[in-house]
Amino acid sequence: AQRVTQPEKLLSVFKGAPVELKCNYSYSGSPELFWYVQYSRQRLQLLLRHISRESIKGFTADLNKGETSFHLKKPFAQEEDSAMYYCALSGSGAQKLVFGQGTRLTINP
Amino acid sequence: EAGVAQSPRYKIIEKRQSVAFWCNPISGHATLYWYQQILGQGPKLLIQFQNNGVVDDSQLPKDRFSAERLKGVDSTLKIQPAKLEDSAVYLCASSPTITTDTQYFGPGTRLTVL
Repeated sequence: AQRVTQPEKLLSVFKGAPVELKCNYSYSGSPELFWYVQYSRQRLQLLLRHISRESIKGFTADLNKGETSFHLKKPFAQEEDSAMYYCALSGSGAQKLVFGQGTRLTINP
Repeated sequence: EAGVAQSPRYKIIEKRQSVAFWCNPISGHATLYWYQQILGQGPKLLIQFQNNGVVDDSQLPKDRFSAERLKGVDSTLKIQPAKLEDSAVYLCASSPTITTDTQYFGPGTRLTVL
């Protein structure tokens, strides 16, 4: 069965501090991992995906198959990063997304 | 490019009543998804369409929920009869093809069942 766990419901950091949002997954095959973000009063949107290996808005995420993790990191948080972040998993080719429960990130000035 | 459209944005009904939600995906997108998001949880897939065919409806409570995508464009999701536990945000998403990994989400419909 596919499962995504985000252990922190709430995370609060100060502006300029590093940020790490944790995501662990359970899947027997080769997963595709994503981070989706929802800013206040906006739609849920894709932030980044592991196959692209790209940095978006200063965020990066590395897939660690040994630890079954896909943590989202940013070295210096900005106030506009405050949002709800969801980690999601898809089995190869199936495109059915399984979401974690989400982490609400608050950046304090 | 216009995004995914959903209506209504909000709906309040009493238990045992019926309700329907409408979704218009991004033009040309073959794959359409309906998710249920209960407060405090992540979205959960209810049903996935590829054009007008169902790809996955394994988590759709078929005794009360139904969905259709006539002509492979717009889609409607219906609940009949509604229960208190159906209170949630219903999200529609679309993607260009079944193998495209980016899903584009609509604004959602917030349903409250009293």
